[in-house]
Amino acid sequence: SQQGEEDPQALSIQEGENATMNCSYKTSINNLQWYRQNSGRGLVHLILIRSNEREKHSGRLRVTLDTSKKSSSLLITASRAADTASYFCATENFGNEKLTFGTGTRLTIIP
Amino acid sequence: DAGVTQSPTHLIKTRGQQVTLRCSPKSGHDTVSWYQQALGQGPQFIFQYYEEEERQRGNFPDRFSGHQFPNYSSELNVNALLLGDSALYLCASSLLDRDFREAFFGQGTRLTVV
Repeated sequence: SQQGEEDPQALSIQEGENATMNCSYKTSINNLQWYRQNSGRGLVHLILIRSNEREKHSGRLRVTLDTSKKSSSLLITASRAADTASYFCATENFGNEKLTFGTGTRLTIIP
Repeated sequence: DAGVTQSPTHLIKTRGQQVTLRCSPKSGHDTVSWYQQALGQGPQFIFQYYEEEERQRGNFPDRFSGHQFPNYSSELNVNALLLGDSALYLCASSLLDRDFREAFFGQGTRLTVV
């Protein structure tokens, strides 16, 4: 079963704009990770945020985590055409190393 | 340094047949997990192998089985294939003994059951 839900399911923005996607999950977590998937192929790890962290940055990516609301957001600044992909959040629970993925957000960057 | 490699890339099988998918983990990794991703869905955890043993298993029937070899590579076997088994099968490797585990994914095997 899916742990989380991404919102929105699909997002189209102009190149250069910022893209924000959200993820909600159901149970307590050890960490939350964001992945990118191009054209239904392999997943690329983007960033990991631990349950005791509230915000993390990596290049043009900014991730926030609100454990009280069981939600996370991924912000991609200054979007590029190459950012067009599906983005998934995945949670890892305490004592259980499997990743539980959400349903994904399909991001399209319009040149 | 090679990342996670999976073979084959694509596969077409007939209902009732059996299939074996293969995965070589990233160098230095000791844990292999398998995921099934149906079209338009997020990946679903099948099982995880560590030290040649199945550590965890998701909600998949016994038709799905696996193996891990001493060199940490792994196989996923699916028996009595159903049309619903058509999906992208992803292998991920990681290091178990860490306080957080970044999983590295292969490019997947696209299985089509006809």
